[in-house]
Amino acid sequence: SAVISQKPSRDICQRGTSLTIQCQVDSQVTMMFWYRQQPGQSLTLIATANQGSEATYESGFVIDKFPISRPNLTFSTLTVSNMSPEDSSIYLCSVGLAGGLETQYFGPGTRLLVL
Amino acid sequence: SQQGEEDPQALSIQEGENATMNCSYKTSINNLQWYRQNSGRGLVHLILIRSNEREKHSGRLRVTLDTSKKSSSLLITASRAADTASYFCATAEGGSNYKLTFGKGTLLTVNP
Repeated sequence: SAVISQKPSRDICQRGTSLTIQCQVDSQVTMMFWYRQQPGQSLTLIATANQGSEATYESGFVIDKFPISRPNLTFSTLTVSNMSPEDSSIYLCSVGLAGGLETQYFGPGTRLLVL
Repeated sequence: SQQGEEDPQALSIQEGENATMNCSYKTSINNLQWYRQNSGRGLVHLILIRSNEREKHSGRLRVTLDTSKKSSSLLITASRAADTASYFCATAEGGSNYKLTFGKGTLLTVNP
């Protein structure tokens, strides 16, 4: 298993600003993912964070809006850019471990409210 | 289209009763997983069942998979108040083992 932390745990932001969310894992992992969970909804995969290369984005998500960094095998950041109230969600990172990619371990999430 | 649709959307039971949640999906899968989420926090992995398996047990959890009907069920036996949470099924589709598609979830409330 893996222990994952996220910062910040929650934030209230003004529209038009940007917020960077950090995800730290206690061990080196192959795969890191970022999900969005809108209020009362399920999780939607935003992108796969690749170490040493650009993130792979899912349909409906673009790099300009959600830039992602993955500088090493234990850390990633997701930035929510030029925020609007529609970006109010919980953002979660998850990891897949080598040899067991099917099971993902999730961080506690970052609860974002955009006013 | 939404993969992994759970029903019911909400379920309220008394402690000690069993809780059954169902999940349907649309496309072929490699595996199906169930996760639990407590009050808008991170998800906890409960159990994974592969496409060639029909039933799996883990403690008080029993998962079944019917690929012909494209459906799965999660049974929690002898429920406890601490089981109160949202439960999501997630499927890994096609050639990917790690790109998960989550259903909308079932909110389970276990009353003491």
